[in-house]
Amino acid sequence: EAQVTQNPRYLITVTGKKLTVTCSQNMNHEYMSWYRQDPGLGLRQIYYSMNVEVTDKGDVPEGYKVSRKEKRNFPLILESPSPNQTSLYFCASSLFAGLAANTGELFFGEGSRLTVL
Amino acid sequence: DQQVKQNSPSLSVQEGRISILNCDYTNSMFDYFLWYKKYPAEGPTFLISISSIKDKNEDGRFTVFLNKSAKHLSLHIVPSQPGDSAVYFCAASARNTGNQFYFGTGTSLTVIP
Repeated sequence: EAQVTQNPRYLITVTGKKLTVTCSQNMNHEYMSWYRQDPGLGLRQIYYSMNVEVTDKGDVPEGYKVSRKEKRNFPLILESPSPNQTSLYFCASSLFAGLAANTGELFFGEGSRLTVL
Repeated sequence: DQQVKQNSPSLSVQEGRISILNCDYTNSMFDYFLWYKKYPAEGPTFLISISSIKDKNEDGRFTVFLNKSAKHLSLHIVPSQPGDSAVYFCAASARNTGNQFYFGTGTSLTVIP
């Protein structure tokens, strides 16, 4: 089954304790991205990756890191989490975003709800 | 600054009637637009898209209209069904500026049986 898998789905942590949210897709997609969803702000892009070893900042990258060592995996790293990073996080992938030959459809994971105390 | 705006946080419609969800954007470089549907505790799922070379795209009960001069798009659902109750996000991208997607804040649609 084609899917984007995120782990953990739920996490409560404390300020400053490093954590990683994993994301894996089994569709051989080139493009992967991380979003956070907050009330009244919709989905905001944190980082995205066009392919292996190619990553770029989105609109809200501060406090986050990513890596793309393999095509299928795109982990989101919070080196020193703070309460303002409490949010619902979504990983997404696409065959390739923006080309005329592709709808640009993003496939989303089920989300990871993170609470930083 | 929000480049994609959905000014109606919520909408209620009777079953069988038309639902119209609206979206406005500010960046004239956007050339691809998408609608996503999100149920609680699930990730958004793709619904329908439209390229800027078109002004209408239809898929079953769902039709998206694009008015480039007004920088406005709308999603029409006819007839509305209770299973359509969800949060709807519109999104936009500009293919020559790095393949980022910009999402609106979402509209929560409730279809009343």
